[in-house]
Amino acid sequence: NAGVTQTPKFRVLKTGQSMTLLCAQDMNHEYMYWYRQDPGMGLRLIHYSVGEGTTAKGEVPDGYNVSRLKKQNFLLGLESAAPSQTSVYFCASTQGIEQYFGPGTRLTVT
Amino acid sequence: QQQVKQSPQSLIVQKGGISIINCAYENTAFDYFPWYQQFPGKGPALLIAIRPDVSEKKEGRFTISFNKSAKQFSLHIMDSQPGDSATYFCATSEANQGGKLIFGQGTELSVKP
Repeated sequence: NAGVTQTPKFRVLKTGQSMTLLCAQDMNHEYMYWYRQDPGMGLRLIHYSVGEGTTAKGEVPDGYNVSRLKKQNFLLGLESAAPSQTSVYFCASTQGIEQYFGPGTRLTVT
Repeated sequence: QQQVKQSPQSLIVQKGGISIINCAYENTAFDYFPWYQQFPGKGPALLIAIRPDVSEKKEGRFTISFNKSAKQFSLHIMDSQPGDSATYFCATSEANQGGKLIFGQGTELSVKP
């Protein structure tokens, strides 16, 4: 039982490049979330999903897109990366209350 | 607008001492108040949580105190140990909102031996 996994663990992008972060969970959870963590700002919700095929905007959605084609996977896309998107990205999932987090992806945009 | 304000930003405590971290919220519709613990290089993990129908919850050395009228809640770590050194986040959520958590800014705790 791997829980929540994220790929890749690290990535460096140049401004304007695109990439997709993959989150996978094997707990059959309905709800999945993408957060970004920045120093002094806690974790801020980017997008979330309450079930397969659904997505919704969180607190800081601009510059990101998401898809939930399969229940176990939640993808976060950056179409045109900007230095302001340099951050650590965490995926989480839950079936109701406790959110289980992945190990994070550290993204640097130069 | 910060819906959850956490303090202090950093905290240094001697081994065996008490660590206290505070959070204040604004939205009276919040009905779930968890604390998450994060070690360097790891994702956050649930430490302890409380609902507003009780004023205190204790699990081992960790206690949440909740003051509904003041819209504040705090985490107390008794007999703090070096292994407790981590970043702690308070969070809140509102029912029927997709389980979304709103996090505080985080407190970096260092317990000195």
